[in-house]
Amino acid sequence: SAVISQKPSRDICQRGTSLTIQCQVDSQVTMMFWYRQQPGQSLTLIATANQGSEATYESGFVIDKFPISRPNLTFSTLTVSNMSPEDSSIYLCSAGTDQETQYFGPGTRLLVL
Amino acid sequence: QQQVKQSPQSLIVQKGGISIINCAYENTAFDYFPWYQQFPGKGPALLIAIRPDVSEKKEGRFTISFNKSAKQFSLHIMDSQPGDSATYFCADGNNRLAFGKGNQVVVIP
Repeated sequence: SAVISQKPSRDICQRGTSLTIQCQVDSQVTMMFWYRQQPGQSLTLIATANQGSEATYESGFVIDKFPISRPNLTFSTLTVSNMSPEDSSIYLCSAGTDQETQYFGPGTRLLVL
Repeated sequence: QQQVKQSPQSLIVQKGGISIINCAYENTAFDYFPWYQQFPGKGPALLIAIRPDVSEKKEGRFTISFNKSAKQFSLHIMDSQPGDSATYFCADGNNRLAFGKGNQVVVIP
């Protein structure tokens, strides 16, 4: 299994600003993903973080709003840009060593005022 | 993205009882069907998963039953405990998992 940590664990931000969330995995993994989860709701995949290349975004998510980096096999960042209150959510990083098994981080709770 | 539908939305079970939650999927191309368990304030954790070449898989008190013809798989929690109170998500897909809306299970003493 993989242990995943995220920073920050929570934040309160002003609209129009940007926040970068870090995801660190304790071992090398093949796949890394970013999800968004509204409290009490399901998980929605934002993008697949690809090492050394541009992330693959899901429908409804764009790079300008959610730029993602993955410089190596254990680390990725998600930036939420030009935030609005609608971006208030829980952002989750997941990682896996194969095509299927995913381990999730504890999440970053974001409130945009 | 949502390709799986979960039922019931919420479930209340007495301690020691059996919790049964269901997941209906659409895409028959996928061959991996997991259940994740999420406690409040935590990220989801993989609980158990099944492939369509078997009809049932058991791990401790947790069992997945798979019905390929009905395009449905279920999670059974035997001898339910208060510590099992959580939200359970099913998903399908290969690497790009599509999650259902979740089943909230409450086990009362």
